[in-house]
Amino acid sequence: QVQLVQSGAEVKKPGASVKVSCKTSGYTFSAYYIHWVRQAPGQGLEWMGWINPSSGATNYAQKFKGRVTMTRDASISTAYMELSGLRSDDTAVYYCARDPRSIADAGPYNCFDSWGQGTLVTVSS
Amino acid sequence: NFMLTQPHSVSESPGKTVTISCTRSSGSIVSNSVQWYQQRPGSSPITVISDDNQRPSGVPDRFSGSIDISANSASLTISGLKTEDEADYYCQCYDSDDRHVVFGGGTKLTVL
Repeated sequence: QVQLVQSGAEVKKPGASVKVSCKTSGYTFSAYYIHWVRQAPGQGLEWMGWINPSSGATNYAQKFKGRVTMTRDASISTAYMELSGLRSDDTAVYYCARDPRSIADAGPYNCFDSWGQGTLVTVSS
Repeated sequence: NFMLTQPHSVSESPGKTVTISCTRSSGSIVSNSVQWYQQRPGSSPITVISDDNQRPSGVPDRFSGSIDISANSASLTISGLKTEDEADYYCQCYDSDDRHVVFGGGTKLTVL
């Protein structure tokens, strides 16, 4: 079955960077887009962007452009999300999620059929 | 650039039916499909409705989705409520003009 397993919780100081990993299994990694979504404590879901694991192409939400970098290592079926210039309001659970549409069919469908378990990133001095 | 507006909270008794609305602020609700996600406390979201009204395998048929063009809104209806349905529910759509995913603010469903 499709599984997305994320790296563990992180505590970072303001101004630092964090890199979260998302290891996938149960399907062909390069065949489906991976999105990143975050959720601040007690708040709703916020989309950050996606990566095409086949080509490495990315599309970032305007809010995060310049601070977020999404990459992948297809040899280990893993996607990464790095956020720099961390602030206290970046404290959130970060999720990776798979797009349901095959890359071979068209661009992303821009919704999510499987999610990782989430990674808590705490930004505190 | 549009927003999806949901009620902050709804509550209903076990066995009853509840409907959660999701209103699009601009542009037509039928321009892009609407998805609904259920998130129980401490858990990742799961899809309960995709493509406006499609139930993924494993989702009970107590869950249904619909579109109201006149109200420019989507709705999630849960019938035969169970205590396990108590969760936050998010609607989601795609803004094809700005190329980004839009979430509603979420609705907390209490089954009491």
